[in-house]
Amino acid sequence: ILNVEQSPQSLHVQEGDSTNFTCSFPSSNFYALHWYRWETAKSPEALFVMTLNGDEKKKGRISATLNTKEGYSYLYIKGSQPEDSATYLCASGSSNTGKLIFGQGTTLQVKP
Amino acid sequence: ETGVTQTPRHLVMGMTNKKSLKCEQHLGHNAMYWYKQSAKKPLELMFVYSLEERVENNSVPSRFSPECPNSSHLFLHLHTLQPEDSALYLCASSQDKTSYNEQFFGPGTRLTVL
Repeated sequence: ILNVEQSPQSLHVQEGDSTNFTCSFPSSNFYALHWYRWETAKSPEALFVMTLNGDEKKKGRISATLNTKEGYSYLYIKGSQPEDSATYLCASGSSNTGKLIFGQGTTLQVKP
Repeated sequence: ETGVTQTPRHLVMGMTNKKSLKCEQHLGHNAMYWYKQSAKKPLELMFVYSLEERVENNSVPSRFSPECPNSSHLFLHLHTLQPEDSALYLCASSQDKTSYNEQFFGPGTRLTVL
């Protein structure tokens, strides 16, 4: 049974703060690690898909790293803005069937 | 319309009703998915369809019956549901069924079973 764990469960930061979240996943039979952003009343939206150990990806102020050997990924947000407020989901694919196992998410609230 | 659409957005049904959820993707993708999100639980995969064939059934009770008539449309037929089936049901699609492809999600159907 796969377990994807995310921490912290929730986070409150001030505008301008930088922050990071953790996603841990079983490292055996790993295929891909996904990060999604889910804003209230909207659809989850893909941020990154990473497959290789040591992968680093960046989109604007958001970046992510991947360690498949130890089974963790970090998501970083530099200079948080109120519009970054959302739930951030990670999901691990351990087979090649599109089956993703999601974590419970980290809910970020950025105060102006 | 673009992306992934779902109808209805909200649904209230009794335990003896039969209803269907509809999902349509306008992205030319070959794989489609149904997910369930219950309160305070992670997104849970229910079904995966690839090229209109079901490739994954994640131990879902038979009161949920999926149908994929073509690669653009996906239905979830509901009958004799229980109150604990109340949840947000999300549809998603991806280029193909491999785990390397990002999934594009619809807005979801909020289902309440009375």
